Formats: sequence, structure tokens, C-alpha cells
Amino acid sequence: DIQMTQSPSSLSASVGDRVTITCQASQDISNYLNWYQQKPGKAPKLLIYDASNLETGVPSRFSGSGSGTDFTFTISSLQPEDIATYYCQQYDNLPRTFGQGTKVEIK
Amino acid sequence: QVQLQESGPGLVKPSQTLSLTCTVSGGSISSGGYYWSWIRQHPGKGLEWIGYIYYSGSTYYNPSLKSRVTISVDTSKNQFSLKLSSVTAADTAVYYCARERDWNQLSYYFDYWGQGTLVTVSS
Repeated sequence: DIQMTQSPSSLSASVGDRVTITCQASQDISNYLNWYQQKPGKAPKLLIYDASNLETGVPSRFSGSGSGTDFTFTISSLQPEDIATYYCQQYDNLPRTFGQGTKVEIK
Repeated sequence: QVQLQESGPGLVKPSQTLSLTCTVSGGSISSGGYYWSWIRQHPGKGLEWIGYIYYSGSTYYNPSLKSRVTISVDTSKNQFSLKLSSVTAADTAVYYCARERDWNQLSYYFDYWGQGTLVTVSS
């Protein structure tokens, strides 16, 4: 299985701050990576696919980059509604695997 | 708008079989280009992919659960189902059904999810 390692596991930032989450794959996965947002008690929601493509309807403050084994997810200006846990997920191989999640809180 | 809805018992006894069904509305499960998946989330933990089924009936299961998992599809009812046998407390989790879109075999992503259903394994 491909292991996905996110960091940090949690972070606290102020409204308006730039927030960055990293995701590292245990092997080269090209750009076969997605990012999801999960709010408490809700199902995950797709934000970014193919490492850098913004899903329709998702605010432009969210972005993703990277390829190979190292990926970055960024919120350019943190908003109160962005409080959630964020997951990366690879689709290079089966089984599909997710990172352990990064919980984002407001300072 | 595609919607997925999980249904099934919220409490299962140890050693028994967990059975869940996902009903798809707003789109046909027989449409090509989609894989119908089950994903679970242990309380307070991350996401674990269980497996998927294509409308044709072809399946792939996570090797970590393969010996206990069966996923089936009923295209006439627009439903797919999960059976997990010999459950223990470690199978207590929120179970999600989800649609994985296959975009020209180049891109795959979970674009629609059910709301999730908590299944507790306890006597």
C-alpha cells in the first residue's frame, strides 16, 4: 500500500492567515492526489483533484501543488468556515489510501 | 444532483455480519465511468477505503479486509451493498458510501458521498 503522511496533524491560525499543509507519499504517485475537507459530523468534500485542480464551486483561496512524492495544500486567507480536518488521498494505486488528516483550528 | 444514502443496522453483535446498503438517487448506478465505494472512519480517526464495485459487478477490496468483505450491486434498485463478516469492536466506525469518478482513466476522485452511518459492534 502507498502510505500518505500529512503534516502537521493539527494547526491553529488566525483569520486571514495563510495555512499550508503538506502530504508526502511513500512512493512516486505523479500528480494522482486529491484533497478533501471534512467538517465535524459531515462527510468529506472534494476540494482539489489531480494535485492542483480546484473542484467546481470551491473558493479560490484553496489551492494545491506538487508532484511525485511531495504535495502542498494551501488556504491563502483562512476563514472561520474553513475550520475542518483536511485529508490528502492518492489514486495512483489500489487500495486507495488517505493521509491521517490535519485539523485546522482558529487561534 | 446525485445523492447517496446509507442504510442498515446501527448495532451489530460481535462475530456477526455487518450489512449496509447505499441507495443512489439522481443518477444511474449503471452509468459507466464510476466506481461505487465503501469507506469507513473509526471514531476520531482517519479514513479507510474498504473497496469498490463497478456496475458490471467487478470488485476490488482492500487487502486488509479482503477476507471478510463482500460488495454487491443491484442495478434494478440503484443500490450497492456492503457485507463485513466476523465483526469485532475494531469494526465500530462511521461507514460512508461514495462515488469515485473515473475521468477518462486519467483522474479518479470521490465526488459524492453519503452522510455516513455509525455502526457499533457490541453485545
